[in-house]
Amino acid sequence: GAGVSQTPSNKVTEKGKYVELRCDPISGHTALYWYRQSLGQGPEFLIYFQGTGAADDSGLPNDRFFAVRPEGSVSTLKIQRTERGDSAVYLCASSPGPNLYEQYFGPGTRLTVT
Amino acid sequence: GNSVTQMEGPVTLSEEAFLTINCTYTATGYPSLFWYVQYPGEGLQLLLKATKADDKGSNKGFEATYRKETTSFHLEKGSVQVSDSAVYFCALTPSGSEKLVFGKGTKLTVNP
Repeated sequence: GAGVSQTPSNKVTEKGKYVELRCDPISGHTALYWYRQSLGQGPEFLIYFQGTGAADDSGLPNDRFFAVRPEGSVSTLKIQRTERGDSAVYLCASSPGPNLYEQYFGPGTRLTVT
Repeated sequence: GNSVTQMEGPVTLSEEAFLTINCTYTATGYPSLFWYVQYPGEGLQLLLKATKADDKGSNKGFEATYRKETTSFHLEKGSVQVSDSAVYFCALTPSGSEKLVFGKGTKLTVNP
């Protein structure tokens, strides 16, 4: 079946602009995760949804970052007033549920802030 | 806090060589431990995992044993192939959490 998909695959934006990154999880997966990977680093956790609610948003770096999952499926990561330091690959993952199910990762969205 | 330290890369080996990639962790309680792999041009995928002390995870000829006394989860393979060339990430999930905490990754190149 289809895996996790993310759109766009690449996004270039100017400093100060607003961006939205979309994640389509595997059908039926109730858990959804966002991570950020900077060059030469491992992925860094941002937020975890179980269903429609954010069960853990402890990784969001500041209030410019926000994520939603209104119907418990597709999720959107929103970044306001982008900064050059936000440039990274944003990864989405989904799993059938909590409690150590495997997380299935998407290909990522490469965000470049100029 | 929770953190993972893995050996710096890149690692270059000849085909059929023995592979070890060291990984140590810092965590409270009893984390679960993972190795993820990213092949060129592909997304991250789970390679193996272990959920409690002394468990051994294994997959595709790779093995790692959860050692609580040394807080380690070293990845080993007896005979690597060119197709094993990838970036390998050690990770943990803290007790009571669903998030993954990753190391920086180790790039492995296997030459024929």
